[in-house]
Amino acid sequence: EPEVTQTPSHQVTQMGQEVILRCVPISNHLYFYWYRQILGQKVEFLVSFYNNEISEKSEIFDDQFSVERPDGSNFTLKIRSTKLEDSAMYFCASSAYGNTEAFFGQGTRLTVV
Amino acid sequence: ILNVEQSPQSLHVQEGDSTNFTCSFPSSNFYALHWYRWETAKSPEALFVMTLNGDEKKKGRISATLNTKEGYSYLYIKGSQPEDSATYLCASPLDSNYQLIWGAGTKLIIKP
Repeated sequence: EPEVTQTPSHQVTQMGQEVILRCVPISNHLYFYWYRQILGQKVEFLVSFYNNEISEKSEIFDDQFSVERPDGSNFTLKIRSTKLEDSAMYFCASSAYGNTEAFFGQGTRLTVV
Repeated sequence: ILNVEQSPQSLHVQEGDSTNFTCSFPSSNFYALHWYRWETAKSPEALFVMTLNGDEKKKGRISATLNTKEGYSYLYIKGSQPEDSATYLCASPLDSNYQLIWGAGTKLIIKP
């Protein structure tokens, strides 16, 4: 069964460093998303991506964040100058269309120390 | 701007009791309504995608109804079990581009 895969499963980084979280969406899906969940808090939408561009982003998704689909299969989230409060579980998701279910990866746990 | 709202924000339910919670969305330009279950430390899992007014879907003890004319969907859980503890999210496409707009979720805690 097709699935969304995310790497790494756990990333530890020093404050101020840049991290890249990687996702491979399901191959025939057209819509891609990043979400995060800070421990003990609600799920937060970060960004959605369609047709090789950002279609929507939340207030959280400021200049510190960027997304890219560099090679037609990977979908990456880059976080520059990481802060302690960026520590969270980051989930990637993809869907064929907006009215079809989204499939989520297992997440990357980012720990900023 | 399309707003998808969920209530209550959190819910404590005794094991064995049944419960339900609500997702509200603007009734104009409706395309679809999604329900997901998100357990702590796991990835969200799709429960239902509903598109037709009056639609009812069921998966085990969980069911959902949809009223597109008045803009709400109910999720029901019958005979709650500890494994039902999770955050339940609903989402609806913004427009014909089908960008999902997500509710804030209902956090369900089942008390043994």
